[in-house]
Parts: sequence; structure tokens; C-alpha cells
Amino acid sequence: QSVLTQPPSVSGAPGQRVTISCTGSSSNIGAGYNVHWYQQIPGTAPKLLIYGNDNRPSGVPDRFSGSRSGTSASLAISGLQAEDEADYYCQSYGGRLSDSVFGTGTRVTVL
Amino acid sequence: EVQLVQSGAEVKKPGESLKISCQGSGYSFTSNWIGWVRQRPGRGLEWMGMIFPGDSDTTYSPSFQGQVTMSVDGSINTAYLQWSSLEASDTAMYYCARQTSRGWDNWGQGTLVAVSS
Repeated sequence: QSVLTQPPSVSGAPGQRVTISCTGSSSNIGAGYNVHWYQQIPGTAPKLLIYGNDNRPSGVPDRFSGSRSGTSASLAISGLQAEDEADYYCQSYGGRLSDSVFGTGTRVTVL
Repeated sequence: EVQLVQSGAEVKKPGESLKISCQGSGYSFTSNWIGWVRQRPGRGLEWMGMIFPGDSDTTYSPSFQGQVTMSVDGSINTAYLQWSSLEASDTAMYYCARQTSRGWDNWGQGTLVAVSS
């Protein structure tokens, strides 16, 4: 059972901006642990999208941005494109750095 | 180029044992934790645990403690995930991934495990 809660789905038209929330608690995100985000296109392995709350790995478009505040984090996708249709997962730590925990996942649909 | 290559799909019967593998290349395999993630059909990602190839230190998610065993052979840059007695509920895609301070930055392609009588 995940302790990081995400909305099941979000949608937007091409070019729009969508945001995905990741709600945790004082035991994980609120304790100052970093949040990472992953994109999973159906049928493929997850891919690191944002690390350390707000950093993009090389090759990730700057349309993707992350933030963290208090016990929550957010992923924003601006200028939504058809190729952004995927599942998105946040990940943090469940009280210890040795205890990873994933969010419940959000399906992004491009209308 | 960092790569994690997993073993192929498996079809097993309940009660059978299984060991799947994850071979790393393109980096110092013994320097980073390797984690395992389960994804049941149509469901989200579940962290199972991780192992440090340098000394085989292992930590398991409470949900998977006692259900699986993680091991490593540093001489061939390979991590393993094994079951002693599979159940139908173990049917899932299993991913390995390299854990760094920048998150899980490289993932294997996944191993599909199907358990059915």
C-alpha cells in the first residue's frame, strides 16, 4: 500500500499545461526526503523524468518541471504533446533512505 | 552507456521455484544499489527491496520480506531475484533498476513472470 497519493488521471489538450500532485506525510516528503518522478509509456519500463525534486536528467525536455513544498510535490507538463501520454509516478523514501516508496500513479491523457 | 539487461519471460506453475537475473554493464556494478520493482497487470509500481553488490547488503520492503530473496554475483555483474514457491499472485512484470542519489536512473527492460496451473 503506497503512502504517496496521486490523482488517478489528468487530461489536457495539446499545448495546455497539466500538473500532477504527490501527497505524502511528515514521515516521507515532509521529512525533507527528495522526490523523483518517472514516466512509464505503456508496455515499456519506467524512465527517470525528474530527480531531486526539480532537476531534469540530460535529454528530458524543459516542458517537464518539478517542485516540492511541505508534505507534497508536483510535476508540471507545459505545452502538452501527444507523446506525453503515459503513466507518471512520484517516488520518495518511507522514513529511511533504504525504504523507497512509489506514488499510486497518474495516467495523463492528451485530448 | 549504462545498461541493465534482464532475463527472459517465465511461465511457471504454483509451487515452483524461480530465479530471474539483471546484468549490469557500462559502470562500476559494485558501486550502486540495485533495486527490484513489481508491477502487477494494470497496476502501479511497488518497491520490493534492494541489494548493494559491493557487499551484498540487502533491505526488503516489509511487504516482500520473507517472500523473495535477493542476491548478487559481483564477478559477473549480475543481481538476482528468487522465489522458493511461486503463487498465482506473483504474476507480474519485475524490473531491476540502479539506485543513485539522483533516483533510479537506469532500468532493465523487465521480466514477465506468469504463474498459472
